Amino acid sequence: QAVLTQPSSLSASPGASASLTCTLRSGIDVGTHKIYWYQQRPGSPPHFLLRYKSDSDDLRGSGVPSRFSGSKDASANAGILIISGLQSEDEADYYCMIWHSNTVIFGGGTKLTVL
Amino acid sequence: QVQVQESGPGLVKPSKTLSLTCTVSGASVSSPYYYWNWIRQTPGKGLEWIGYISYTGNTNYNASLKGRVTISLGTSRDQLSLSLTSVTAADTAVYYCAAYNDFFASWGQGRLVTVSS
Repeated sequence: QAVLTQPSSLSASPGASASLTCTLRSGIDVGTHKIYWYQQRPGSPPHFLLRYKSDSDDLRGSGVPSRFSGSKDASANAGILIISGLQSEDEADYYCMIWHSNTVIFGGGTKLTVL
Repeated sequence: QVQVQESGPGLVKPSKTLSLTCTVSGASVSSPYYYWNWIRQTPGKGLEWIGYISYTGNTNYNASLKGRVTISLGTSRDQLSLSLTSVTAADTAVYYCAAYNDFFASWGQGRLVTVSS
């Protein structure tokens, strides 16, 4: 079982909100981890969006709009990236990441389609 | 603003050593504020962290690479390098250099390396 599991794809309409999930493997507690989110557009490297551990411990990247936010679902052991007011430019791949056992782990990524 | 750029051969033969260089601008590799990382991306496996080196030369590697990887600081103040030995087709990927300061703050454009005879 992968350490971080993301749905491979998600579609949403312009103006709507999208919730991208990142589920941690059983035994790895989402509550104790900072969840990092990166956006990658075709032909470009990933770009840092935000880091979320709790409402009092979060960080948004420079220039990242406030319509990008983080959250957690403890019952699902998952980190969540919420994008509100979807725009066509949000169409991209989104990767979650954690530090676990002194190692960086990336999720497999979610391809977000805005249509 | 720190910037990084990868360079090196785009084609490596199987069983040989992959060697890449990362050139840093806007900061020095001796800066205590950054960890200098290598990350690779393949269509099949997505993003895979390879490891990092700190300004002191301390390194930390992904155990999955089974001792094949070495990251070192260059002789100049603005370079670091990646060495991956005994490569196979599975090592074909886009290799990124990335500066970490609380998050991966700066990425290079990536260097596609193909392992093929």
